[in-house]
Amino acid sequence: DQQVKQNSPSLSVQEGRISILNCDYTNSMFDYFLWYKKYPAEGPTFLISISSIKDKNEDGRFTVFLNKSAKHLSLHIVPSQPGDSAVYFCAALTGNTGKLIFGQGTTLQVKP
Amino acid sequence: DTGVSQDPRHKITKRGQNVTFRCDPISEHNRLYWYRQTLGQGPEFLTYFQNEAQLEKSRLLSDRFSAERPKGSFSTLEIQRTEQGDSAMYLCASSPRTSGGVYEQYFGPGTRLTVT
Repeated sequence: DQQVKQNSPSLSVQEGRISILNCDYTNSMFDYFLWYKKYPAEGPTFLISISSIKDKNEDGRFTVFLNKSAKHLSLHIVPSQPGDSAVYFCAALTGNTGKLIFGQGTTLQVKP
Repeated sequence: DTGVSQDPRHKITKRGQNVTFRCDPISEHNRLYWYRQTLGQGPEFLTYFQNEAQLEKSRLLSDRFSAERPKGSFSTLEIQRTEQGDSAMYLCASSPRTSGGVYEQYFGPGTRLTVT
């Protein structure tokens, strides 16, 4: 039972353009959603989060949008840079345990 | 202390052998998590500790797996009688306990286990 899904395994964009990574979930009890970035041979690095009571959170070039009715969230990166090339994971949690439930990941390639 | 550390970074073992991994969390982080990641998948939750207490274990964690966190500091994850299906990246993460707000988890670099 995949509660968090990232249906696009990969995405390629040109440097300077917008990258949009998508994530769908099934459990309406999730309290928070987080995005992590992962480079090869490293652990995931926290990027940005959003509470289930919000619909948007922005941090520099990164913005996360949450559509609760559609059980969908997205990460926007503007402008995209070659250093953003990595695997991006969407994750969700319920507040009590703090355990994260991850999607399968989307590999982003930003071309110079 | 600059982050979560894990040791060893790589481990190759033969099927049937026991292995033990260590995780040192960020100082003063009282929550510690273990995850497992296989190729093409996101990390899967295994277990977590609040201080020295193990509060939840995933059904993925068979009886061959055991984790400890003595004195609420570092943690160890032991796998007994390893099987080829145990080959994966084992990730450790820690987080501070906050009154409200998101529990941002900080991950270590992982231990890659290969069972031959």
